[in-house]
Amino acid sequence: GQNIDQPTEMTATEGAIVQINCTYQTSGFNGLFWYQQHAGEAPTFLSYNVLDGLEEKGRFSSFLSRSKGYSYLLLKELQMKDSASYLCAAADSNYQLIWGAGTKLIIKP
Amino acid sequence: IAGITQAPTSQILAAGRRMTLRCTQDMRHNAMYWYRQDLGLGLRLIHYSNTAGTTGKGEVPDGYSVSRANTDDFPLTLASAVPSQTSVYFCASSDSVGGTDTQYFGPGTRLTVL
Repeated sequence: GQNIDQPTEMTATEGAIVQINCTYQTSGFNGLFWYQQHAGEAPTFLSYNVLDGLEEKGRFSSFLSRSKGYSYLLLKELQMKDSASYLCAAADSNYQLIWGAGTKLIIKP
Repeated sequence: IAGITQAPTSQILAAGRRMTLRCTQDMRHNAMYWYRQDLGLGLRLIHYSNTAGTTGKGEVPDGYSVSRANTDDFPLTLASAVPSQTSVYFCASSDSVGGTDTQYFGPGTRLTVL
């Protein structure tokens, strides 16, 4: 079957760095997405990886290892506004997105 | 640019009633999607449309129907609502199916079926 695993909840301190991991098993693979979702709001796009390696975009970076079925989202210089859920989604052979349940990130002052 | 709009924002519905959730996008995207989001579960695809005039079933299509008469609108209908359809429903669109096309989400409809 197809499956996405990510931690349910993480806590970090303002100004620190946090890494949110995601492992995936899909029928075929056409890339890995990360979305941010604040409570009561819609998911918004953060990053997309299809090749192995690290993609950096400001304070956020995303890494992919296709051979390991693994990705992580790295958030640097954490701000209170980064408190949100982070959703990992893998595109399967039909380009349908398989979503993880999300990681709720709590930022403490 | 409004992006994607959904209506209503929230609704309480009696079981057995018919309900249509509306979704409109102004980005001229080809593909549109309906998801439901339940606590502790990932977004689950209900139905999708690759282009106007075509629709397909997602992971959890039972009890739902869609139509795509034009590019902009993609309504989701619950023919006879049941309590297990209580959820937050998100509509999304992308320029096309596949590749690096990002899905953009509407604000969601919170539906409660009693």
